[in-house]
Amino acid sequence: DVKVTQSSRYLVKRTGEKVFLECVQDMDHENMFWYRQDPGLGLRLIYFSYDVKMKEKGDIPEGYSVSREKKERFSLILESASTNQTSMYLCASSQTGGRTDTQYFGPGTRLTVL
Amino acid sequence: AQSVAQPEDQVNVAEGNPLTVKCTYSVSGNPYLFWYVQYPNRGLQFLLKYITGDNLVKGSYGFEAEFNKSQTSFHLKKPSALVSDSALYFCAVSPHNQAGTALIFGKGTTLSVSS
Repeated sequence: DVKVTQSSRYLVKRTGEKVFLECVQDMDHENMFWYRQDPGLGLRLIYFSYDVKMKEKGDIPEGYSVSREKKERFSLILESASTNQTSMYLCASSQTGGRTDTQYFGPGTRLTVL
Repeated sequence: AQSVAQPEDQVNVAEGNPLTVKCTYSVSGNPYLFWYVQYPNRGLQFLLKYITGDNLVKGSYGFEAEFNKSQTSFHLKKPSALVSDSALYFCAVSPHNQAGTALIFGKGTTLSVSS
């Protein structure tokens, strides 16, 4: 079974802090994704990566950056956390870039910014 | 613009009754459609997907979905609901001409099954 893990289930940070969210997948998948989930808005793509050191902006990249130094690990960075970044963050991975690929999700990190 | 719509925020059914969670899509080219389920405080779990072929797709936990090209719909169904099916359900579509990119998700439908 594919396993996607995220470093924290719950996180509380202060406004202005730099925040790191880590995601690791164990199936040698090429593609990894970061989504943000908010009630009534569904899932929105922040960034994705199709290879090591490669990244593409999604629909809402402002205020975020990402890092992929190793194939299995994809990090989301909030450079200076703000209260409007309080949300559920979901990481996903898929084997290739094909349109028919299934994405597998981690358990999510619920981030609260005070 | 390519999009997915889930017209119902919430669906309520009694245990043992059939359930339907609706999804319509707008996409250029061949649609590739997915259903995911999210239990409270958990990530999304894959249920099923339509790529091509038979319009009735069977998936996990007894769920199935019917692809209807003329109505641009991909409704999720189950013949007999269980209380444990209560969760948040997302329909998603794979965008055309954007290989390697992410899915477009609907806003989700909360399914509540009463005993």
